[in-house]
Amino acid sequence: GENVEQHPSTLSVQEGDSAVIKCTYSDSASNYFPWYKQELGKRPQLIIDIRSNVGEKKDQRIAVTLNKTAKHFSLHITETQPEDSAVYFCAASGRGGADGLTFGKGTHLIIQP
Amino acid sequence: GAVVSQHPSWVICKSGTSVKIECRSLDFQATTMFWYRQFPKQSLMLMATSNEGSKATYEQGVEKDKFLINHASLTLSTLTVTSAHPEDSSFYICSASDMGTGELFFGEGSRLTVL
Repeated sequence: GENVEQHPSTLSVQEGDSAVIKCTYSDSASNYFPWYKQELGKRPQLIIDIRSNVGEKKDQRIAVTLNKTAKHFSLHITETQPEDSAVYFCAASGRGGADGLTFGKGTHLIIQP
Repeated sequence: GAVVSQHPSWVICKSGTSVKIECRSLDFQATTMFWYRQFPKQSLMLMATSNEGSKATYEQGVEKDKFLINHASLTLSTLTVTSAHPEDSSFYICSASDMGTGELFFGEGSRLTVL
């Protein structure tokens, strides 16, 4: 089955700086890669996703890049703000998400004021 | 936007009892729903895929007789934790795939505490 590795487990950055979280996946058949933000005790919130036919996607301060050959994808957050503090999970799935998601272990992002 | 509702949001039960958690898609139909479990400070782990009108598909290591899943309609899937024990205490989250758009939506989660 799919295995998703996520690094780092904790990331502390100064407010206004950029944050980068990286994930690798093992199943070359995976073709859907979403990123979720989860606050304590709440449901995961989709912040951005990318499909395997695209190399990069951007939405305001958030961007995701995908390297299919190397089987890795990354989340980039620029101009970080205190409200960006949360746990972020990457995930991978086959059939565009219809196979269920395999999640990474999560990254606790801390934005220092 | 599309909404997936879970009920109850939290439940406390005694060891040995069974607990049912409902997952409803409120404004779309879902042939497929997924059940995840999340222990404190850990990631979400896929437990099973619930298919409307057929048997659920369980991930390796998940006991199908302990975690009963029923997906009787296009808007409702239920997870029953049978003979619950303290180690079953966890945050259970469902997600539903909109059969029209393919988009995936998460429920609010249900926190189970077994005493």
